[in-house]
Amino acid sequence: DGGITQSPKYLFRKEGQNVTLSCEQNLNHDAMYWYRQDPGQGLRLIYYSQIVNDFQKGDIAEGYSVSREKKESFPLTVTSAQKNPTAFYLCASSIGGGRYNEQFFGPGTRLTVL
Amino acid sequence: DAKTTQPTSMDCAEGRAANLPCNHSTISGNEYVYWYRQIHSQGPQYIIHGLKNNETNEMASLIITEDRKSSTLILPHATLRDTAVYYCIVRLRIQGAQKLVFGQGTRLTINP
Repeated sequence: DGGITQSPKYLFRKEGQNVTLSCEQNLNHDAMYWYRQDPGQGLRLIYYSQIVNDFQKGDIAEGYSVSREKKESFPLTVTSAQKNPTAFYLCASSIGGGRYNEQFFGPGTRLTVL
Repeated sequence: DAKTTQPTSMDCAEGRAANLPCNHSTISGNEYVYWYRQIHSQGPQYIIHGLKNNETNEMASLIITEDRKSSTLILPHATLRDTAVYYCIVRLRIQGAQKLVFGQGTRLTINP
């Protein structure tokens, strides 16, 4: 089945540790995105990538880093510089590449920093 | 992107039609209306989008007023699995990557 996978579903880390969230898609989509969602709130864009080896900051990029070495993968690292890392993290992808861009989302990773 | 206004919550009986309104009075001529929903603790799911004509797919229907200042998402025969937060988003439909701006949406509860 084609889709977007995020792992793990739940993740716990100690304060001060960096943590990397996985996002993989087999939809052959060019564009990928990372959003953050806090309880009772909408989504906010962290980073996005239109193509391999390219990515841009979103609205709340501070304390996060990404890489896009492969078309299928867009991992997000939450660094110790992120002041409030506990949140629900959602990865999405869209066809991109000059075509129209409905976004499809993964199941999310709930990160809790203790 | 144009701002949208949705009711905070709604209830609907199972088997009945659920009608979710959205106001977007500042929408511009080339902006589309998109609907997504998010079931608890899952990623948002794309439902439908439209420009000015009414649209229907296997999930829902989208009715856009003639002046395009409001729209209604219709789930024709709601089931318990339709309980979710529904987001109305207005944005340009451009090529390439673009962020989605989600507000707080409408929390729809389907009651047995």
